[in-house]
Amino acid sequence: DAGVTQSPTHLIKTRGQQVTLRCSPKSGHDTVSWYQQALGQGPQFIFQYYEEEERQRGNFPDRFSGHQFPNYSSELNVNALLLGDSALYLCASSLDGGMTDTQYFGPGTRLTVL
Amino acid sequence: GNSVTQMEGPVTLSEEAFLTINCTYTATGYPSLFWYVQYPGEGLQLLLKATKADDKGSNKGFEATYRKETTSFHLEKGSVQVSDSAVYFCALVGNNRKLIWGLGTSLAVNP
Repeated sequence: DAGVTQSPTHLIKTRGQQVTLRCSPKSGHDTVSWYQQALGQGPQFIFQYYEEEERQRGNFPDRFSGHQFPNYSSELNVNALLLGDSALYLCASSLDGGMTDTQYFGPGTRLTVL
Repeated sequence: GNSVTQMEGPVTLSEEAFLTINCTYTATGYPSLFWYVQYPGEGLQLLLKATKADDKGSNKGFEATYRKETTSFHLEKGSVQVSDSAVYFCALVGNNRKLIWGLGTSLAVNP
């Protein structure tokens, strides 16, 4: 049973560019949450998708957007990249979307903005 | 708003030492509390959780008890191993259903 997978593993972009990160949830899970983890910090909640809708959102600007597909996989898009967007982006999946449910994390995508 | 405060690291222990990592929280209502662990080069894993007061979460020799009177959820292990070296995160989910994280505590266990 594959766990949560994310792609790509690493990514280097320049300021102003756009990036798309991808996540496949654990088999049987229907909910995907995205987090940003800066170096030496705890994860910061970006948003959560359930039934192809954004259900919860953290304090992130509209430059951060997402999508969930019918197969429950998800994308995180970031427009107009800033240096401060450099971070590890984590995807977590869970069943039925309750935030109290156990969230299973992927290995993350390391984004570097130059 | 909701918040989590955990002790700063790094924490360095010898193998078989007793471990305590303090975590206190601020939240309205009755949050659920979690400890996650991040091993070097890996993603976050749920270590244990507790969803109501006086619950004790336990896993892999680690324990934490939900103390509402002291708003705490301290992580303990009686005898740490080198393989426990990792970063440990305390987190909560409150009434707004958002997962709030502490800053993490790095643990290094020496043989």
